Amino acid sequence: DSGVTQTPKHLITATGQRVTLRCSPRSGDLSVYWYQQSLDQGLQFLIQYYNGEERAKGNILERFSAQQFPDLHSELNLSSLELGDSALYFCASSVMRGGADEQFFGPGTRLTVL
Amino acid sequence: GEDVEQSLFLSVREGDSSVINCTYTDSSSTYLYWYKQEPGAGLQLLTYIFSNMDMKQDQRLTVLLNKKDKHLSLRIADTQTGDSAIYFCAESMRDSGYALNFGKGTSLLVTP
Repeated sequence: DSGVTQTPKHLITATGQRVTLRCSPRSGDLSVYWYQQSLDQGLQFLIQYYNGEERAKGNILERFSAQQFPDLHSELNLSSLELGDSALYFCASSVMRGGADEQFFGPGTRLTVL
Repeated sequence: GEDVEQSLFLSVREGDSSVINCTYTDSSSTYLYWYKQEPGAGLQLLTYIFSNMDMKQDQRLTVLLNKKDKHLSLRIADTQTGDSAIYFCAESMRDSGYALNFGKGTSLLVTP
């Protein structure tokens, strides 16, 4: 158990809909990353927040957005869903240790778009 | 990011050593990481190596780094059936903070 929690575990929805994925980081971790894992693209970095502020952006679509709240939990919002958005979405929280950014992953949310 | 390359599949017998190879892209990456993913689970951080090191040993795991060739390997000694999983190497992306650029993963199958 990494200490990172994600809800829901599974989500099934229809094209065109909007969903929200939630992540609670490990206690004390200020940084949250979101990644998407799909069969064709592999693991791709979406976006990072640090202490409530956006820090880095990766291959995140304009239909997707995220935020980090004062209690440090984060939400990833996916809208106008398409079939191709079906994937596993992971969040990770991290701590700097001796210069390395150790990222600890949650169990993921499996999104199925029908 | 650009592609981090890994072979897709490796099969070994229980008790043998496994060597998983990776070629990364960013010569300025300061840390390189190995993660393990078991079926239906998230990614578990196994180990990482600083880019000015050649080798790091952590119990049954040995990481070798050839910075000139941008080649990273993970050796698992005395491989057990419980080591069957997908192994990902990852580099920190310099232009995305500390976000990780992952390879596609190597599926390790350990047979009795």
